[in-house]
Amino acid sequence: NAGVTQTPKFQVLKTGQSMTLQCAQDMNHEYMSWYRQDPGMGLRLIHYSVGAGITDQGEVPNGYNVSRSTTEDFPLRLLSAAPSQTSVYFCASDRTGSTGELFFGEGSRLTVL
Amino acid sequence: DAKTTQPNSMESNEEEPVHLPCNHSTISGTDYIHWYRQLPSQGPEYVIHGLTSNVNNRMASLAIAEDRKSSTLILHRATLRDAAVYYCILRDGGKSTFGDGTTLTVKP
Repeated sequence: NAGVTQTPKFQVLKTGQSMTLQCAQDMNHEYMSWYRQDPGMGLRLIHYSVGAGITDQGEVPNGYNVSRSTTEDFPLRLLSAAPSQTSVYFCASDRTGSTGELFFGEGSRLTVL
Repeated sequence: DAKTTQPNSMESNEEEPVHLPCNHSTISGTDYIHWYRQLPSQGPEYVIHGLTSNVNNRMASLAIAEDRKSSTLILHRATLRDAAVYYCILRDGGKSTFGDGTTLTVKP
C-alpha cells in the first residue's frame, strides 16, 4: 500500500504565485486533513474533511483553499503565496476522526521568496 | 479549541523508563488523547491513544489522569531509536490540536 502520498516534495514560489499541493490516500479513509509545520514548532491544522464533499476550517485557514471531490484526494490550494507561508506541509488521513490512527504523508517543503 | 502543554525537552538513559507528561486542562468530554512521535524530515508516527482508561500497546503505555486534564506517555525501556519529538494531541471528529512537543534525547 502506498498510504498517503504528497506531491511535490519540494517547491519554490515567488510571492503572489498560486499552486496546489496534492494529497492522495489509498486506504479508503473518510477523514483527511492538512497541517503546516514551521521550524521548531508543532503541526497546526489548516483545513480538514470528514468525507467527500465536506470540508471545514482548522486553526490557520487564511490563504488556503481545499476541496474534496473524491474520497481519495484532498488538494490544498495556495491562492496568492506569501513568504509567511514558507513551511513544511503535511497531509494526513484516518478512518474514524477521533479513535483511529492518523496516517501522515512525507511532507511537502514550500519556500516562498 | 483545547490546547496541550508539554515540556520542551527531556533526557533519558538508554534502557531506562521515560515518562513524558502532557497537560490538557481545557479538554472536552469528546476529545481523545493521542500521542505521536516525529523523526527529522519525516511525518509524525502514531504511538498510542486513549479516552479515559489507561492503555498499553507494544510501543508504550498511556496513563490518563482521572479528571483527564493531564496524561503521561510511558516508554518502558528507552532505546536510541526512541529519540524523537513527541506530540500529545487532542482529537475530536477530524480536528486535531497539536502542542509544540517534547524533544526526547536518549543517552547511551
